[in-house]
Amino acid sequence: GAGVSQSPSNKVTEKGKDVELRCDPISGHTALYWYRQSLGQGLEFLIYFQGNSAPDKSGLPSDRFSAERTGGSVSTLTIQRTQQEDSAVYLCASSLAASSGDTQYFGPGTRLTVL
Amino acid sequence: QKEVEQNSGPLSVPEGAIASLNCTYSDRVSQSFFWYRQYSGKSPELIMSIYSNGDKEDGRFTAQLNKASQYVSLLIRDSQPSDSATYLCAVKGNDYKLSFGAGTTVTVRA
Repeated sequence: GAGVSQSPSNKVTEKGKDVELRCDPISGHTALYWYRQSLGQGLEFLIYFQGNSAPDKSGLPSDRFSAERTGGSVSTLTIQRTQQEDSAVYLCASSLAASSGDTQYFGPGTRLTVL
Repeated sequence: QKEVEQNSGPLSVPEGAIASLNCTYSDRVSQSFFWYRQYSGKSPELIMSIYSNGDKEDGRFTAQLNKASQYVSLLIRDSQPSDSATYLCAVKGNDYKLSFGAGTTVTVRA
């Protein structure tokens, strides 16, 4: 079946603008995760959704970052007043549930460049 | 916080050789362990998961887990140029959160 999809694949924006990144998880997956991967660095956890709820927002770097999920499916990560340090690849993953053994499957990512 | 450390690399091996990747983790309650492969400019792709002590083999890949030593490794046998990628070790405890190592870049020389 279809994997995790993300859009846009690339986004170039000017400092101070707001951006929205979209993630469409694998059908039937209740858990959804956002990660960020900066150049040459490992994956950094941002936020996790179980259904439409976000029990853990601890990874969001600042209050400029927010995310929502509707209908237990699509999620949107919003970054307000973007800064150059926000430039990174934003990866979304989903899993069947959120138990420890469940595999997270990643989407292709959105490469964000803030000029 | 589940700190995950990987051997720094880059690792260069000749075609046909064994590539050995190591990963240690700090949180003793970690339960699930994953190896992801990430080609340049692409997203991580799961290649192995392991939950119990011992070895798990899948084709040319073998994952080894030693919970007492808090150590997990990945062996790639008969390395091929297509194995050239960054390999990410990921660890999960009783919860949902994956903690990743920084990755080890492997180059297989033809």
